[in-house]
Amino acid sequence: DVKVTQSSRYLVKRTGEKVFLECVQDMDHENMFWYRQDPGLGLRLIYFSYDVKMKEKGDIPEGYSVSREKKERFSLILESASTNQTSMYLCASSPPATGELFFGEGSRLTVL
Amino acid sequence: GQNIDQPTEMTATEGAIVQINCTYQTSGFNGLFWYQQHAGEAPTFLSYNVLDGLEEKGRFSSFLSRSKGYSYLLLKELQMKDSASYLCAVGKAGSYQLTFGKGTKLSVIP
Repeated sequence: DVKVTQSSRYLVKRTGEKVFLECVQDMDHENMFWYRQDPGLGLRLIYFSYDVKMKEKGDIPEGYSVSREKKERFSLILESASTNQTSMYLCASSPPATGELFFGEGSRLTVL
Repeated sequence: GQNIDQPTEMTATEGAIVQINCTYQTSGFNGLFWYQQHAGEAPTFLSYNVLDGLEEKGRFSSFLSRSKGYSYLLLKELQMKDSASYLCAVGKAGSYQLTFGKGTKLSVIP
């Protein structure tokens, strides 16, 4: 069974803290994505990666960075968390032949 | 850029048929996807259209007209478990990116 695992379901952090969100997939997919989901705004793409050590900016990359050192792992980094980054973060992966996304369960981040 | 519109909310009766529309404007097109998302859960894939026409999969069907920038998701024989948000997403040409609409929250009532 396909699996995308996000390290934390719920996190509470303080403004200015550095935050790491980890995502691991076991499907050998080349493509991995980070989205955030907010009420009334839907899913918005932050960053994506189509290969190890490769990354591309999505629609809202400001305030975020990513790391892809291994094919199965894609990390989202908030260098200095701010309250407007309180959100649900969803990781996804997809094989190269299709655009079908397989999502993780999500990480709900609250920044106080 | 890409602009995707779908209704915010819809209500339908158990056993009925409901059609959820999605219109899009895009500078490049690489297919249209529909996802289902139950409250508190991750989105799951429902359907994919890259050519014009109707794709049927059990109780769910999806239609695409590329010339009109229009798609719909048709749900037949509605069940209570179909209460969820339905997300329309457009694939960007030459890329693996999907851009999502804001989603349509469907409530199925007895």
